[in-house]
Amino acid sequence: QVQLQESGPGLVTPSATLSLTCDVSGGAISAGFHWGWLRQPPGKGLEWIGAVYHSGISYYNTSLKLRAAISVDTSKNQFSLRLNSVTAADTAVYYCARHHKGGTTGFFYMDVWGKGTTVTVSS
Amino acid sequence: EIVLTQSPGTLSLSPGETVTLSCRASESIDRDYLAWYQQRPGRAPRLLIFSAYARATGVPGRFSGSGSGTDFSLTISGLEPEDFAIYYCQQYGRSPSLTFGGGTKVEMK
Repeated sequence: QVQLQESGPGLVTPSATLSLTCDVSGGAISAGFHWGWLRQPPGKGLEWIGAVYHSGISYYNTSLKLRAAISVDTSKNQFSLRLNSVTAADTAVYYCARHHKGGTTGFFYMDVWGKGTTVTVSS
Repeated sequence: EIVLTQSPGTLSLSPGETVTLSCRASESIDRDYLAWYQQRPGRAPRLLIFSAYARATGVPGRFSGSGSGTDFSLTISGLEPEDFAIYYCQQYGRSPSLTFGGGTKVEMK
């Protein structure tokens, strides 16, 4: 059974870069799925950030204005998120998740989630 | 971008009751590619339904999804104590876009 675990700093300074890693256990990251990140600001709903395939092909939420980058390390069976120029609006619980593609024309739904990690942007 | 509107915002119900949650899309969702998630307090979301009506692995039979086009529903037949949570719908019909609804909270009366 695939399990995901997020890790990274819980506090990030404004204008700095947020970096998180997701460790995948119970299955190979190169098994044919996409892997990605979502976030949830305090008391609010879910926002998709982006996803990556083990080949390195990636997709992003255009609302993040190119601030996000997701990469994969197949040798470590993990993938990572970098979000630059953070502000208080980036304060949220960040989740990593396995992404399932909806056929050849659809996009993603998420079937396995990490427990989430809280990131606060503050000086 | 397809906007998903969930209604109502909050429902107050008792265990054993049956509830139907609504998710309406601003335009038709291709191939009815709609998913439902459950989020209990302090927990990560959990996939319940994908492709509008297909139950995810391990999801109890009291959860059922229905609908097509722009109108979708999630029905919980006989609320259990662990079902009191927030429920989100999500569309993934057209690459490269996916969006979530604002959620419906099912609280215990």
